[in-house]
Amino acid sequence: EVQLVQSGAEVKKPGESLKISCKGSGYSFTNSWVGWMRQMPGKGLEWMGIIYPGNSDTRYSPSFQGHVTISADKSINTAYLRWSSLQASDTAMYYCARRGEAYSWFDWGQGTLLTVSS
Amino acid sequence: QSALTQPPSASGSPGQSVTISCTGTSSDVGGYNYVSWYQQHPGKAPKVMIYEVSERPAGVPDRFSGSKSGNTASLTVSGLQAEDEADYYCSSFAGSNILNVVFGGGTKLTVL
Repeated sequence: EVQLVQSGAEVKKPGESLKISCKGSGYSFTNSWVGWMRQMPGKGLEWMGIIYPGNSDTRYSPSFQGHVTISADKSINTAYLRWSSLQASDTAMYYCARRGEAYSWFDWGQGTLLTVSS
Repeated sequence: QSALTQPPSASGSPGQSVTISCTGTSSDVGGYNYVSWYQQHPGKAPKVMIYEVSERPAGVPDRFSGSKSGNTASLTVSGLQAEDEADYYCSSFAGSNILNVVFGGGTKLTVL
């Protein structure tokens, strides 16, 4: 069974840094693209970026380029999403997902809720 | 690129059929057969219901079907059931680079 397990909810202050994680199991982590999606409160899904853990090839949505960093450690089947300086507007639910057939997101993590507030 | 356009809401009575549209451009929906649909219940992660315009993953009821005409894709839910009440999002490969993806704004489906 494919599983993506994300790290727990976070409460941070503006300006702080953060890295959240997404651990894959039940499939070849190295050979599947992993994407990150943002869902702001009461809003829709937004694609942030994607990584291929096998060679760390990473692409970003123009909307998120420069504000977040996506990385992966294939030795522990884990992908990461990192912020160096959080803003209140980063408050959202963040999902990782495994890309499957035809550029679809077949398997999703349970989500990590991030709250940024002073 | 802009999000795909979906109606904010749709509704139907149990047993009826409902169709949700997803309108893009020739650079995304119209240009590729890589449209997918996701169901999201409150407080839950999204779940893929349709991929590659009309393909159903294993375990998804055949009450769910997808189609595309020009720049508009559609999701039809037949024989509506109470558990179908959820938010539905479309997504398309956008083509500006091989990994680019765009989502619709979502449609709240209410089963009356």
